[in-house]
Amino acid sequence: DVKVTQSSRYLVKRTGEKVFLECVQDMDHENMFWYRQDPGLGLRLIYFSYDVKMKEKGDIPEGYSVSREKKERFSLILESASTNQTSMYLCASTNGDGIYEQYFGPGTRLTVT
Amino acid sequence: SQQGEEDPQALSIQEGENATMNCSYKTSINNLQWYRQNSGRGLVHLILIRSNEREKHSGRLRVTLDTSKKSSSLLITASRAADTASYFCATESLNEKLTFGTGTRLTIIP
Repeated sequence: DVKVTQSSRYLVKRTGEKVFLECVQDMDHENMFWYRQDPGLGLRLIYFSYDVKMKEKGDIPEGYSVSREKKERFSLILESASTNQTSMYLCASTNGDGIYEQYFGPGTRLTVT
Repeated sequence: SQQGEEDPQALSIQEGENATMNCSYKTSINNLQWYRQNSGRGLVHLILIRSNEREKHSGRLRVTLDTSKKSSSLLITASRAADTASYFCATESLNEKLTFGTGTRLTIIP
């Protein structure tokens, strides 16, 4: 079974802090995604990556950056956390052979105070 | 940008009854997928239907797709307490990106 893990289930940070959210998948998937989920808004795509060192902006990239130095790991970075970035963050991965089912991690609930 | 919109936003039914939820979308798609999310957890893929398919079954799940109306429905038959969750439709249009709807919260009453 594909396993996608995220570094923390719950995280509390202060405004202005730099925050790293880590995601690791164990199925050699090429594509990885970061979403945030907010009540009434569903899931919104922040960034995605098709390959190592490649990144593409999603629908709401402002205030975020990403890093993909290894195929299995995709990091989301909040350069200077703000209260409006309090949210549930979900990482997902999928292979690149035309089957588009995404496998999700358990999520990180981030609170910025 | 929001592509899929689920209807209803919330649904409560008795255990054993069937649950139907609908999804409408705006642009042409390659496929449409349904996911389930238990409270506070990640999403789990349920079923994928391609744009050239009209109906698909998987266990107690039945999905239909009407591309002329840009809509899909998910039917869960003989519901169980464990089906209590939020259900999301997601459309894939290009580049393997998915666009998710806002979800239907399903509650099964024992």
